[in-house]
Amino acid sequence: DIQMTQSPSSLSASVGDRVTITCRASQSIGSYLNWYQQKPGKAPKLLIFAASSLQSGVSSRFRGSGSGTEFTLTISSLQPEDFATYYCQQSYITPLAFGGGTKVEIK
Amino acid sequence: QLQLQESGPGLVKPSETLSLTCTVSGGSISRSSYYWGWIRQPPGKGLEWIGNIHYSGSTYYNPSLKSRVTISVDTSKNQFSLKLSSVTAADTAVYYCSYYASGSSPFKWFDPWGQGTLVTVSS
Repeated sequence: DIQMTQSPSSLSASVGDRVTITCRASQSIGSYLNWYQQKPGKAPKLLIFAASSLQSGVSSRFRGSGSGTEFTLTISSLQPEDFATYYCQQSYITPLAFGGGTKVEIK
Repeated sequence: QLQLQESGPGLVKPSETLSLTCTVSGGSISRSSYYWGWIRQPPGKGLEWIGNIHYSGSTYYNPSLKSRVTISVDTSKNQFSLKLSSVTAADTAVYYCSYYASGSSPFKWFDPWGQGTLVTVSS
């Protein structure tokens, strides 16, 4: 089974900061990597699919990159509505797997 | 625009079977490229994939739950369902249903999601 590891598990940042979250797969998954944002009490929301494709309606300040085993989600200028938990998910092979999440908090 | 809604009991006794239904609106559950999935999230924890189903009935389960999970589809009602047997407190979670497909592309993702339903396992 493929394991997904996110780092850091949490971070504190200020509005306007550039934020980078890393997701590592235990084996190569090509570009079969998705990113989700989850706010408290809400269902996850798709941000990025196929490693770097921005979902329709999602702000362009979100950028996904990487392939193989290492991926990053970058928020170019953190906005108040971006404080949330972010998850990566591999869609390369079943069993599908999510990373453990990265909680982005206000500094 | 697809919309999904979970329904089912919010409280299940230990050793019993958890049963949830996801009702799909805004599209047919029977589209050939469509897969449907269940994901759960214990309180304060991360997301865990439970399994997927294709309208034809093909299923894919998380090996960690496979012996206890059954996912089925009812095309006449545009619904798919989850059954998890022999539940314990560790199965207490918010359960989400979601659409998992992307048409002709080999890349797939979960979108949209239902709002989720909390199921508590307790006597």
